[in-house]
Amino acid sequence: DIQLTQSPSFLSASVGDRVTITCRASQDISDYLAWYQQRPGTAPKLLIYTTSTLQGGVPSRFSGSGSGTEFTLTISSLQPEDFATYYCQQLISYPRTFGQGTKVDIK
Amino acid sequence: EVQLVESGGGLVQPGGSLRLSCAASAFTFSDHFMDWVRQAPGKGLEWVGRIRMKANSYSTEYAASVKGRFTISRDDSKNSLYLEMNSLNTEDTAVYYCARVSMVRGSPLGYWGQGTLVTVSS
Repeated sequence: DIQLTQSPSFLSASVGDRVTITCRASQDISDYLAWYQQRPGTAPKLLIYTTSTLQGGVPSRFSGSGSGTEFTLTISSLQPEDFATYYCQQLISYPRTFGQGTKVDIK
Repeated sequence: EVQLVESGGGLVQPGGSLRLSCAASAFTFSDHFMDWVRQAPGKGLEWVGRIRMKANSYSTEYAASVKGRFTISRDDSKNSLYLEMNSLNTEDTAVYYCARVSMVRGSPLGYWGQGTLVTVSS
């Protein structure tokens, strides 16, 4: 199975900050990576797929990059509604594993 | 608007069984693969499994942790997805989400239901 490791697991940031979350895969997954946002008490929401393709309706302050085994999710200017937990998921093989999550909290 | 509504969760004893349902609306259900994903209390997301379309013989994939105990099925005539869970243990306690697989490159999970809580406890 492909393991995904996110770093950091927790980060504290302020509104307006630039935030970067990393997801490392245990083997080459090309660009087959998605990012999801989960606010407390709600279902996950797709943000980005195939590394850098923004899902419809997702603000342009979210962006993704990377390839192979290392990927990043960047929020260019953190907004109050962005305080949430973010998960990466590999889309290349079964089982479709997720990273352990990165919680973005208010500083 | 695409809607997915899970039901059937509840309290079940270890060793017991439960069947979850997911009612889909506002899209052509039969044209989409569907996934189940679960989340134990306070924990991260765990992919459970997938069922493909009729054109793919309704083939399925499962996580190792549930293979042989859980069965995913669908009834396209009822726009419904199911998760039959047997031999449940305390580690299966989680919120279970159904999710629609997007028919784009990579097949990410584009829409999710609100989830249904399954608690396995004596």
